[in-house]
This record gives sequence, C-alpha cells and structure tokens, in this order.
Amino acid sequence: QSVLTQPPSVSGAPGQRVTISCTGSSSNIGAGYDVHWYQQLPGTAPKLLIYGNSNRPSGVPDRFSGSKSGTSASLAISGLQAEDEADYYCQSYDSRLSGSVFGGGTKLTVL
Amino acid sequence: EVQLVESGGGLVQPGRALRLSCTASGFTFGDYAMSWFRQAPGKGLEWVGFIRSKVYGETTEYAASVEGRFTISRDDSKSIAYLQMNSLKTEDTAVYYCTRDRPSPMYDSSGYYFDYYYYMDVWGKGTTVTVSS
Repeated sequence: QSVLTQPPSVSGAPGQRVTISCTGSSSNIGAGYDVHWYQQLPGTAPKLLIYGNSNRPSGVPDRFSGSKSGTSASLAISGLQAEDEADYYCQSYDSRLSGSVFGGGTKLTVL
Repeated sequence: EVQLVESGGGLVQPGRALRLSCTASGFTFGDYAMSWFRQAPGKGLEWVGFIRSKVYGETTEYAASVEGRFTISRDDSKSIAYLQMNSLKTEDTAVYYCTRDRPSPMYDSSGYYFDYYYYMDVWGKGTTVTVSS
C-alpha cells in the first residue's frame, strides 16, 4: 500500500490530453512538500520527468506538465504520442514517516 | 555525459551476500548524495537507502525492509557507491538501480527553509539480483 495514491492505469488516443493524479495527505503533499515525477519506459530505467511540482529537466518536452493543489498533484501529458506509453511514478516527502514516499505507479496506454 | 553504471548483480543463494557497485562519470561524484532503489519483477519502485555526501558526514538511511542487512558506502576517489547486501532473501530479487540525488527544499508554514529531502535526477540502467536456491 503506497502512501501516495495513483490510478493503476490511464489511457488515451494519440493527440489527446491525459492526466495522472497523485493523491496524498496532510503529512506529505498537503504539508507543502514538493512533488516529483518519473517516467519509466518499458524495459528501461526510470527517468526524472518533473521536479519541484512543475519544472521540466532539460530535454523533457513541454507536452509534459505538473501541478499541485492541496493534498494532490497531477501530471498532464498533452498531444499524446505512442512513445509516451510508460509507467509514471510520483514522489514526495512525508513528515510522519520522516522520509521520501512514492506512488505505486500508473501505466499509461496509448490506444 | 553524466552516467551511472551498476554492476555486481547475479544469482545468489538465500542467506548469502552480494555487493553491488555504482560507477559514476561526467560529474563531481563527491558533491552528491546517492541512493539505491530496487524493482521486483512486475512491481513498482522501492527505495532501498541513500548515503549523503562527505560534507554531510556520509550518513546513511535505509528502508525498514533492508535495515540491518544492507549497507551503503562510497569511495569518492573512485566515484563509486556500493550496496553491500547480506543475509539475502528470495524477496530481495529485483533490478537494483543507483541514482544521483538532488536536494528538494522543505519550508515551514511561514515559508522559511528548514530542511531538505532528495529527488533523483540521474538513474543508472540497473543490475539484476536473483536470490534463489
């Protein structure tokens, strides 16, 4: 059972916009701690996708965006492409656990 | 090019030990905290532990599932981080990744910085550990 809750799967057609939610609580996201997102393409290592809630590392397309509000965060992917099919994980900090916490991951399928 | 390369994985019997290495290149290794993660077949990411940089005392923290069995260390002169795994169990079977860590600042309710945690900005390709008799 992950501290941060993500939907197990989402899907969308090419060109569409999808969002992946990451729901926490008052001891993590709701306490103001930043959220980071990682993308794991099939058979590869994870890669940093969004840091500090909404910042993109160099090389990440601006089709990917992050936001945070209250006890939740979201990753939005616009102009969906086949190559976006991957698992996505969110990360934050939890003051009750005194450590980083992760979501269980969301599998994005491009129809 | 910033790169992390894990090595040392393989097949090992339950109860035995294994040491993984993470060799870094393309950046000043000693300036960064380093973490280890693992991913069991078909499962999500699990944080294993991390080691802070020398400036912060090379202190370590571990997940409860490995505390007392796993030890992380580093050799800044060689740009290598290690994961010593003892008393291995079948449930330790996974792909093990090392990461370079960046600080994520934490602010109190007044907006003042008071501490930080880490996020992972570079990942290695991983090394597979299989624990089986």
